[in-house]
Amino acid sequence: EAQVTQNPRYLITVTGKKLTVTCSQNMNHEYMSWYRQDPGLGLRQIYYSMNVEVTDKGDVPEGYKVSRKEKRNFPLILESPSPNQTSLYFCASSLSPGSNEKLFFGSGTQLSVL
Amino acid sequence: QKEVEQDPGPLSVPEGAIVSLNCTYSNSAFQYFMWYRQYSRKGPELLMYTYSSGNKEDGRFTAQVDKSSKYISLFIRDSQPSDSATYLCAIPNTGGFKTIFGAGTRLFVKA
Repeated sequence: EAQVTQNPRYLITVTGKKLTVTCSQNMNHEYMSWYRQDPGLGLRQIYYSMNVEVTDKGDVPEGYKVSRKEKRNFPLILESPSPNQTSLYFCASSLSPGSNEKLFFGSGTQLSVL
Repeated sequence: QKEVEQDPGPLSVPEGAIVSLNCTYSNSAFQYFMWYRQYSRKGPELLMYTYSSGNKEDGRFTAQVDKSSKYISLFIRDSQPSDSATYLCAIPNTGGFKTIFGAGTRLFVKA
């Protein structure tokens, strides 16, 4: 089944404790992206990747890191999480970066930073 | 001014009603316009997309774009309780490396 898989689904952590949210897609997609979703603000892009080893900042990259060493994986790293990073996170992918390309989303990771 | 504005609702309607969901945008260069549907505790899924101005129909759903007003709409006919979800308008930028989402409108269809 074609899908984007995120783990974990739920995560509670404390301020400053490094964490990684994994994202994997099995559709051989070139483009991958991370979003955070907050009430009233919608989905905001954190980082995106056009292909392996090619990543760039989105609208809200502060406090986050990403890497794209393999085509299928695009982990999101929070080196020192803070409470304002409490949010619902989504990984998404598309076949290629194009204006008419459909985004496929994972099921989300609900992160709480205490 | 946000690039894409959408009223977050919530919007509550009786079963069978016609629903109108709307967004406005600021950049006249945008060409593709999408609507995603997001059920509770799930990721968004593409519902419809249109190119440039005009209407596009798919079953009970119609997407409409008015580029002169920078206004996009999604109409749902004969709404069903299963349509209860959050609807997000989405506009990819030129090149498609960034998709700008509206805040999403929560829709409740009461049986």
